[in-house]
Amino acid sequence: ETGVTQSPTHLIKTRGQQVTLRCSSQSGHNTVSWYQQALGQGPQFIFQYYREEENGRGNFPPRFSGLQFPNYSSELNVNALELDDSALYLCASSLDGAPNQPQHFGDGTRLSIL
Amino acid sequence: GQNIDQPTEMTATEGAIVQINCTYQTSGFNGLFWYQQHAGEAPTFLSYNVLDGLEEKGRFSSFLSRSKGYSYLLLKELQMKDSASYLCALHTSGYSTLTFGKGTMLLVSP
Repeated sequence: ETGVTQSPTHLIKTRGQQVTLRCSSQSGHNTVSWYQQALGQGPQFIFQYYREEENGRGNFPPRFSGLQFPNYSSELNVNALELDDSALYLCASSLDGAPNQPQHFGDGTRLSIL
Repeated sequence: GQNIDQPTEMTATEGAIVQINCTYQTSGFNGLFWYQQHAGEAPTFLSYNVLDGLEEKGRFSSFLSRSKGYSYLLLKELQMKDSASYLCALHTSGYSTLTFGKGTMLLVSP
């Protein structure tokens, strides 16, 4: 069973730039959620994709956008990067987004904005 | 909205038992998860409580009381490798997302 994989592991950008982060879900999982984790904080929900459609969104501005592909892998895009966007970005996959299914997390992408 | 409170840090000794508490205010949720996160690593699933009561999994147990808005994670026979952040998370209804607390950093000393 292949787990959740994310790329890249680390990334450095400057303010105003754009970034794309990638996630491959665990095999058999069709639901992907993205979270932002600032240092010393718990992960905060950005959005979720289920069968290629956005299935819910947290309190993040429209410059945070995403995609899910037919193989259920996913991308997180962030435009007009700000210093506060520096964080660990986590992707989690689950099956059908069912309430009793634990989400399985990748190791994350550490994004630093200079 | 939702509010989840956990102690920021706890310390314990190898071999001991530690209880990490989580209190919350919410209008509704499916269940409550506990995750473990080592520094620089992904959160890993520990337990899930839907109904009130105790769920036991080896050295780890989790308890939920919906009427009291309270949960705890109990770790027995502590090992050095248990030093990590422990995250309490509500699984909300509607679309299945997790709302996390800030986490409790547990330091296990010899």
